[in-house]
Amino acid sequence: EVQLVQSGAEVKKPGESLKISCKGSGYSFTSYWIGWVRQMPGKGLEWMGIIYPGDSDTRYSPSFEGQVTISADKSISTAYLQWSSLKASDTAMYYCARLLGAAFDPWGQGTLVTVSS
Amino acid sequence: EIVLTQSPGTLSLSPGERATLSCRASQSVSSSYLAWYQQKPGQAPRLLIYGASSRATGIPDRFSGSGSGTDFTLTISRLEPEDFAVYYCQQYGSSKITFGQGTRLEIK
Repeated sequence: EVQLVQSGAEVKKPGESLKISCKGSGYSFTSYWIGWVRQMPGKGLEWMGIIYPGDSDTRYSPSFEGQVTISADKSISTAYLQWSSLKASDTAMYYCARLLGAAFDPWGQGTLVTVSS
Repeated sequence: EIVLTQSPGTLSLSPGERATLSCRASQSVSSSYLAWYQQKPGQAPRLLIYGASSRATGIPDRFSGSGSGTDFTLTISRLEPEDFAVYYCQQYGSSKITFGQGTRLEIK
């Protein structure tokens, strides 16, 4: 079974750093792009970026370029999303998903990030 | 950036009725690169349709997708109670991805 399992919920203070993870299993992790999607409370889906774990080629949405860093460690089939300095406006649910052709499938269960002083 | 506009914002229907959801793109999208997702409260999105009209694995045949160019449609032929959720369209082009703002399908 193809699965993406994300790290658990995080509560952070403004200015702190954070790295969340997404571990793939059941398929060749290095052969498919992995994407990250933000969903702010009560809002829609926003694409943040994608990474190809085979060679770490990364593409960012213009809205998120410079705000986050996407990386991957193919030796442990895990992709990451990180922030160097969190803001309250980063409070959201973050999903990873495999890009199968041009559609995301499957999705991870989501990681809730709460940033509050 | 291609902007996807979904309509209506909210659709109120009864079980057994037919639902028609629209997704309009600001410029032409290849049919191969248009997908639809369903999201229920507290759950991750689930892929329903890819390539504009192909059902994903395990998706009931009451869900169908159609369209080309800038106009795409998701149709649910006969609504079941479990179909009431939020639906998003998504396009992929030139390594850029955008989602529509979503249509909420609610029970009338």
